[in-house]
Amino acid sequence: QQQVKQSPQSLIVQKGGIPIINCAYENTAFDYFPWYQQFPGKGPALLIAIRPDVSEKKEGRFTISFNKSAKQFSLHIMDSQPGDSATYFCAASKINDMRFGAGTRLTVKP
Amino acid sequence: KAGVTQTPRYLIKTRGQQVTLSCSPISGHRSVSWYQQTPGQGLQFLFEYFSETQRNKGNFPGRFSGRQFSNSRSEMNVSTLELGDSALYLCASRLGQTYTEAFFGQGTRLTVV
Repeated sequence: QQQVKQSPQSLIVQKGGIPIINCAYENTAFDYFPWYQQFPGKGPALLIAIRPDVSEKKEGRFTISFNKSAKQFSLHIMDSQPGDSATYFCAASKINDMRFGAGTRLTVKP
Repeated sequence: KAGVTQTPRYLIKTRGQQVTLSCSPISGHRSVSWYQQTPGQGLQFLFEYFSETQRNKGNFPGRFSGRQFSNSRSEMNVSTLELGDSALYLCASRLGQTYTEAFFGQGTRLTVV
């Protein structure tokens, strides 16, 4: 059932560190790969997204790296801050279908 | 503009009962999808509706059903509730069917006792 595999399940870094979250997918029909951030008591919110025609996308401190041949993509958070502590979900999407990974709980220690 | 509204926010039901959850998408959004969120399992896809038609369905038993109305509002129904149905149910709305941002509501927390 889990069409998108995400790791690690949890991650603890010091402030300023660069946490990396990895995801892999199987279905090559997926053509849109967003990352969502969720704070306790809130619904997930879009952080950054990439299409498979590019290998990297950067928005502020967040970067997605995409490897189409390996069917893998990852999120890097530069200069992480305690406010980045949240659960992060990768997703893979095609028409009428968006599947999520199991999530990574990130804790950034001051 | 108003976000995605889910009602109720919290619900406690007894095994065997049935429940209906409601989702009002962002105005103008025609795509609504539903997810079940449980610890360790992430967001499990239930179904997606576009223009009142179910376009896709996840791997859930037939006890889980839904519908979408002409104003794009959607309802999800779970019949014969089981303890394992306890979860946060999230609704997301999108402007189109793909390549567009999904906006999530805060969810309905269902507890089955």
